[in-house]
Amino acid sequence: QVQLVESGGGVVQPGGSVRLSCAASGFSFSTYAIHWVRQAPGKGLEWVAVISYDTTNKYYADSVKGRFTISRDNSERMVYLQMSSLRAEDTAVFYCVRDGEPSSSWYGYMDVWGKGTTVTVSS
Amino acid sequence: EIVLTQSPGTLSLSPGDRATLSCRASQTVSSSFLAWYQQRPGQAPRLLIYDASTRATGIPDRFSGSGSGTDFTLTISRLEPEDFVVYYCQQYGSSLSFGGGTKVEIK
Repeated sequence: QVQLVESGGGVVQPGGSVRLSCAASGFSFSTYAIHWVRQAPGKGLEWVAVISYDTTNKYYADSVKGRFTISRDNSERMVYLQMSSLRAEDTAVFYCVRDGEPSSSWYGYMDVWGKGTTVTVSS
Repeated sequence: EIVLTQSPGTLSLSPGDRATLSCRASQTVSSSFLAWYQQRPGQAPRLLIYDASTRATGIPDRFSGSGSGTDFTLTISRLEPEDFVVYYCQQYGSSLSFGGGTKVEIK
């Protein structure tokens, strides 16, 4: 079935770095843009970043620009989120999410969500 | 950046009632690029509606979306017990942003 599985979360110190991974299966991965969306404890959803199906376009929320880097490996069906200079306010569940329309840089709505991985920034 | 304001923050209704959730944008959302999601406790969000009024695959027809410009509405015609959860709107007409959510609770 169509599935996205995140990994790589954990506890990291302020100022530290961590790389999240997202493994995709059950669909034509190389034709879909992929987003990362996060949710702080007890809070709402915040869009973080998106990468186009062919890796040529990447777009970030202002809150993470310059600190987070999104990438993908279509041959491995993987998406990554490299996070650095982490702050307490980055503590959240991070979801890997498929864009709703194939073969576009991104359309914008999100139709398949992973279960999420938790990142806690704390000393 | 387009800011989305959802109201009310909490909606108290009974099973079988009609629910009307509002999402207001700080600027016009181009081409009605607005989606609605449902999130159950401890679960990832689920897409309900996209392009303001198109139901996603497998979504019951008691869920409907409407609106354009800056004002959008999610309507649940007859609340089922499993509908008492949190709902988010999201715009993708200019960058991407989510509203703060509306919780539908049992009265």
